[in-house]
Amino acid sequence: AQSVTQPDIHITVSEGASLELRCNYSYGATPYLFWYVQSPGQGLQLLLKYFSGDTLVQGIKGFEAEFKRSQSSFNLRKPSVHWSDAAEYFCAVVPNTGNQFYFGTGTSLTVIP
Amino acid sequence: GAVVSQHPSWVICKSGTSVKIECRSLDFQATTMFWYRQFPKQSLMLMATSNEGSKATYEQGVEKDKFLINHASLTLSTLTVTSAHPEDSSFYICSARRSSGGFVDTQYFGPGTRLTVL
Repeated sequence: AQSVTQPDIHITVSEGASLELRCNYSYGATPYLFWYVQSPGQGLQLLLKYFSGDTLVQGIKGFEAEFKRSQSSFNLRKPSVHWSDAAEYFCAVVPNTGNQFYFGTGTSLTVIP
Repeated sequence: GAVVSQHPSWVICKSGTSVKIECRSLDFQATTMFWYRQFPKQSLMLMATSNEGSKATYEQGVEKDKFLINHASLTLSTLTVTSAHPEDSSFYICSARRSSGGFVDTQYFGPGTRLTVL
């Protein structure tokens, strides 16, 4: 079945530490890939997206993500986390045969001083 | 940047009443808007696709008569939860797609509406 998986429900990191949030998808062909961030009471903000080309994608707020076709993954990374990065992070895909967003269950990030 | 607003941001209602949620694209025209539902610790689930001037397309399992969607203008779509019950309590999020753009890179999300039915 088609799916988007974010294995980590909740992650806690220290401020200044590196971060990696995992996302795996299960679709027949490489879909369009996205990472969104949602702060409490806020809408979803697009961090970055991958359509094709360079598999390492740079986004806003110092985030980057790497598409690995062999692993069907699109993990989000940040070298040094800031307290303001505490939020819910969603991976999303749009199959290249369709036009609907499919979201993962989200990863809640807590940043400790 | 493109801004999508939702009103109200939260609402509490009694069981059996109806609640209307508005989704507005503030600085662009949106021929298509989408309504999602988000349960705690779960992903966003698409409920319906709303096209300006035509009937909404509902996803399988979503009751059309319960979740009424109207997209009367290029900047406004409304979701009405009719005869709400406690199981309808959820976080409802809309998104809007620019009329002038393609699909995947011109969709913007609203801040969501928290509905609590007592």
